[in-house]
Amino acid sequence: GAGVSQSPRYKVAKRGQDVALRCDPISGHVSLFWYQQALGQGPEFLTYFQNEAQLDKSGLPSDRFFAERPEGSVSTLKIQRTQQEDSAVYLCASSLGQAPNSPLHFGNGTRLTVT
Amino acid sequence: GDSVTQMEGPVTLSEEAFLTINCTYTATGYPSLFWYVQYPGEGLQLLLKATKADDKGSNKGFEATYRKETTSFHLEKGSVQVSDSAVYFCALSVGNNNDMRFGAGTRLTVKP
Repeated sequence: GAGVSQSPRYKVAKRGQDVALRCDPISGHVSLFWYQQALGQGPEFLTYFQNEAQLDKSGLPSDRFFAERPEGSVSTLKIQRTQQEDSAVYLCASSLGQAPNSPLHFGNGTRLTVT
Repeated sequence: GDSVTQMEGPVTLSEEAFLTINCTYTATGYPSLFWYVQYPGEGLQLLLKATKADDKGSNKGFEATYRKETTSFHLEKGSVQVSDSAVYFCALSVGNNNDMRFGAGTRLTVKP
């Protein structure tokens, strides 16, 4: 079946531009997560949704980062006024239920390069 | 805060060699522990997990035992194959929200 789909696969933005990254989770998955993965590092938690409710946004690095999941399915991570330090792979993951018996399913990520 | 520390790589082994990738954790509660693997060009996928002390997770010949006394969850495989070449991430979650904390990853290369 279809896995977690992220688009675009690659994004190059000039410093100061706004970007929007899309995540299509597996159908029926309640939980959705965004992670940021810098080169050579593990994923760092950004934010978590349960259905349409954003239950945890403690990992968002600044108020330039905003995520939404208005209908409890597709999610968008928006970064305003991008900076070079925002360059990373942004991973989306979804799960059917709650930890620990419901594994996370990851997308292939969006590689953002800010020039 | 809750975190995991894993052995730095890269690790290069010959086929059929024994593999150990060390992982230790710090957590205030009672975490569940995971190993995720990322094959070249693919997304992260769950390799194995353990949810309580002394549990052993296993999959595809890999094993890891949840050791509370040493706060460790080391990944082992008795005989690696070229197809095991990937980046391996140790992770933990605490509570019910599936919030995962990942280690930095260890890149494994297996040569024929």
